[in-house]
Amino acid sequence: KAGVTQTPRYLIKTRGQQVTLSCSPISGHRSVSWYQQTPGQGLQFLFEYFSETQRNKGNFPGRFSGRQFSNSRSEMNVSTLELGDSALYLCASSGDRGRYNEQFFGPGTRLTVL
Amino acid sequence: GNSVTQMEGPVTLSEEAFLTINCTYTATGYPSLFWYVQYPGEGLQLLLKATKADDKGSNKGFEATYRKETTSFHLEKGSVQVSDSAVYFCALSDLGTGGGNKLTFGTGTQLKVEL
Repeated sequence: KAGVTQTPRYLIKTRGQQVTLSCSPISGHRSVSWYQQTPGQGLQFLFEYFSETQRNKGNFPGRFSGRQFSNSRSEMNVSTLELGDSALYLCASSGDRGRYNEQFFGPGTRLTVL
Repeated sequence: GNSVTQMEGPVTLSEEAFLTINCTYTATGYPSLFWYVQYPGEGLQLLLKATKADDKGSNKGFEATYRKETTSFHLEKGSVQVSDSAVYFCALSDLGTGGGNKLTFGTGTQLKVEL
């Protein structure tokens, strides 16, 4: 089975721009979660999508949004980029088989905001 | 809310030394507990897990036991190798208000193993 894939792997943007990141989950997985990783704040949960619906949301401003398509692929969008948005954005997919759901992570997208 | 506290790094060990990375958690209910490992330039890989009290997770020589009475999930390995050099994250799984998946991570502990 192919793993979780994320595109692009690296991205450079300037302040005020917007960006869209993509995540393709493992085949058959319907849950996709997004995390932001920074040296200062560590790993923080952004949101989770399941069957095209946002199921959980972390404490991030409204500039961060996401969506999920019928094939379970997910995108996250950050509008009006700030320098502090520079981070590694990780996507994880899960088979959602009950209480314990192992999450499989992609390699991440490294976003640099100049 | 839920939180995970793990020992700060970096931890530097000689090859074949014993490893312990401490992890304690605060959570309501009965979370599942995990250790993830991150190698340079890569995403996270699940190292081991425990889903209920007294469970012992193990993989690749690493072990951790879910201790409800001390709210701990310490990672141990009897003999580390240079290839174990990475950042290790302790995490707990919260079903979230919507009943889904949400991982709360510790800050990570960098391990460096030298010859």
